[in-house]
Amino acid sequence: KAGVTQTPRYLIKTRGQQVTLSCSPISGHRSVSWYQQTPGQGLQFLFEYFSETQRNKGNFPGRFSGRQFSNSRSEMNVSTLELGDSALYLCASRTSSYQETQYFGPGTRLLVL
Amino acid sequence: AQSVTQPDIHITVSEGASLELRCNYSYGATPYLFWYVQSPGQGLQLLLKYFSGDTLVQGIKGFEAEFKRSQSSFNLRKPSVHWSDAAEYFCAVEQNQGGKLIFGQGTELSVKP
Repeated sequence: KAGVTQTPRYLIKTRGQQVTLSCSPISGHRSVSWYQQTPGQGLQFLFEYFSETQRNKGNFPGRFSGRQFSNSRSEMNVSTLELGDSALYLCASRTSSYQETQYFGPGTRLLVL
Repeated sequence: AQSVTQPDIHITVSEGASLELRCNYSYGATPYLFWYVQSPGQGLQLLLKYFSGDTLVQGIKGFEAEFKRSQSSFNLRKPSVHWSDAAEYFCAVEQNQGGKLIFGQGTELSVKP
């Protein structure tokens, strides 16, 4: 099976812009989670989607949003970018239930100038 | 609140030497514990996981970890380190009734020839 794929792999934006990142889960996986990784804060949970519904949400401002499509592909959007949004954004997928292993993609590296 | 602590930010070991990376967690119930590894510029790869049962779990690449409830620990071990093991290692606990992973700050492993 193909692994989790994320596009684009690298992105450069300027402050105030918005950005959309995409994640394609492993075939058959219906849950997609997003994490932000920064040197200062480490790995932090953004949100999880299951069957097109947000199932769980982390402590991030409303500028961070996501959605999931009927084919389980997911997108996350960040509006009004700030310098502090520069990070590696990781997507993870699993079949459905909690306590099942989450498989991570390679990430999208976002740089905000 | 649940938390994960990895006391060692950076560890250097010689190739062929044994390795132990420490992980302590704070959790009220039986935890679901994971170790992931991240190579530079890459996503997270699952090394091993503990859900229940035998407290000594075997993973990929020759790694193992032991769950000790009395010490709230889940330390990662490898009897003989290879240069290719140089990477960052993350311990994580899955939040109950939420499914999100809570990560430690990571331990960067360097391997001396």
